[in-house]
Amino acid sequence: GNSVTQMEGPVTLSEEAFLTINCTYTATGYPSLFWYVQYPGEGLQLLLKATKADDKGSNKGFEATYRKETTSFHLEKGSVQVSDSAVYFCALSLNGGYQKVTFGTGTKLQVIP
Amino acid sequence: ETGVTQSPTHLIKTRGQQVTLRCSSQSGHNTVSWYQQALGQGPQFIFQYYREEENGRGNFPPRFSGLQFPNYSSELNVNALELDDSALYLCASSHDRGRRNTEAFFGQGTRLTVV
Repeated sequence: GNSVTQMEGPVTLSEEAFLTINCTYTATGYPSLFWYVQYPGEGLQLLLKATKADDKGSNKGFEATYRKETTSFHLEKGSVQVSDSAVYFCALSLNGGYQKVTFGTGTKLQVIP
Repeated sequence: ETGVTQSPTHLIKTRGQQVTLRCSSQSGHNTVSWYQQALGQGPQFIFQYYREEENGRGNFPPRFSGLQFPNYSSELNVNALELDDSALYLCASSHDRGRRNTEAFFGQGTRLTVV
């Protein structure tokens, strides 16, 4: 079956530190890959996506590259801010769209001033 | 603001009871998916409705059922509630048109507690 594995949290960083959240996946076929973010008290929001191998998704300073050879989609940001504190979910879908998504368990990020 | 609204926001039910959760999709969207998010976990796909028909289902028992209405709003029904059904229930809407699909937007969820 399809699955997503991401590093366990919580991850605590100082402001302006470099962030990496690891994500690997297992899927039949060629999935689209996503990172979603859930801020405290809010719903899930799409952060970035990539639909084929070697694509790089980017948004708000976050980046992730679709690595088919390592089945990975690690999330990175060069300099985190307190406002980035949230739960981050790696996810995939197989239907070419944004529905029927398989999510990882989430990684909580806390950024301290 | 995404335009996807869910009601109620919080709900407490007793084991064995039935519950109906509602989702109003974003204007123009024809597809709704429902997810269950247990505390500390990622969302799990329950099922999807496309133009009033169920169009895919995750690993959930038949006591989880749904409806989509002509205006594309949707309901999730859960019968014979169990303690493990306590979770945040999320709906997501999008406009699907073959391989050209819009981003799915999530509502803020309904927090269901079964006691």
